[in-house]
Amino acid sequence: DSGVTQTPKHLITATGQRVTLRCSPRSGDLSVYWYQQSLDQGLQFLIQYYNGEERAKGNILERFSAQQFPDLHSELNLSSLELGDSALYFCASSVGQAYGYTFGSGTRLTVV
Amino acid sequence: AQTVTQSQPEMSVQEAETVTLSCTYDTSESDYYLFWYKQPPSRQMILVIRQEAYKQQNATENRFSVNFQKAAKSFSLKISDSQLGDAAMYFCAYSGTASKLTFGTGTRLQVTL
Repeated sequence: DSGVTQTPKHLITATGQRVTLRCSPRSGDLSVYWYQQSLDQGLQFLIQYYNGEERAKGNILERFSAQQFPDLHSELNLSSLELGDSALYFCASSVGQAYGYTFGSGTRLTVV
Repeated sequence: AQTVTQSQPEMSVQEAETVTLSCTYDTSESDYYLFWYKQPPSRQMILVIRQEAYKQQNATENRFSVNFQKAAKSFSLKISDSQLGDAAMYFCAYSGTASKLTFGTGTRLQVTL
């Protein structure tokens, strides 16, 4: 157990639907990062939150949004889902770069 | 923008042998961190080793070591005494001022008997 918890582990949904992915960071980590990994691809940075505030955005679609709550857990909302959104979505947390980044086990999203 | 390049899509090594995975990166920053992550079939991302750019000494973690060449912007991973459990996808990653991780495309390592 890495200490970063992601739920659900698997999600199957239809095109056009909306889903919410949840991440609880490791205790003490203020930063949360979301990444998308499509089949046999590298990880693409989506968005970062630090202590409740958006810190950086990557290649995140307008249909996607995220937030970090006062208890530091984060949610990634994906709407108007398309087949191409099928991927593994990772959350990572960090207390600082020097200490590295800890990843959750990911949420596998399948859009049918 | 920073980029990370892994030019070896696949590598193969025999059990107990040594293998080196290559990684180059492009940045104009002077302070940054470099990482190697392992992704086994379970898809979990596991930190293998990290290097601070300001440290000249190469990082080592048991059978894993890096060859960090800052001027050449090269950060290779050496795995000694390879084991079957080392078979996985290996990703090189960079973190600079922006603090997010930028990943390479990965190298799939096969370990044969």
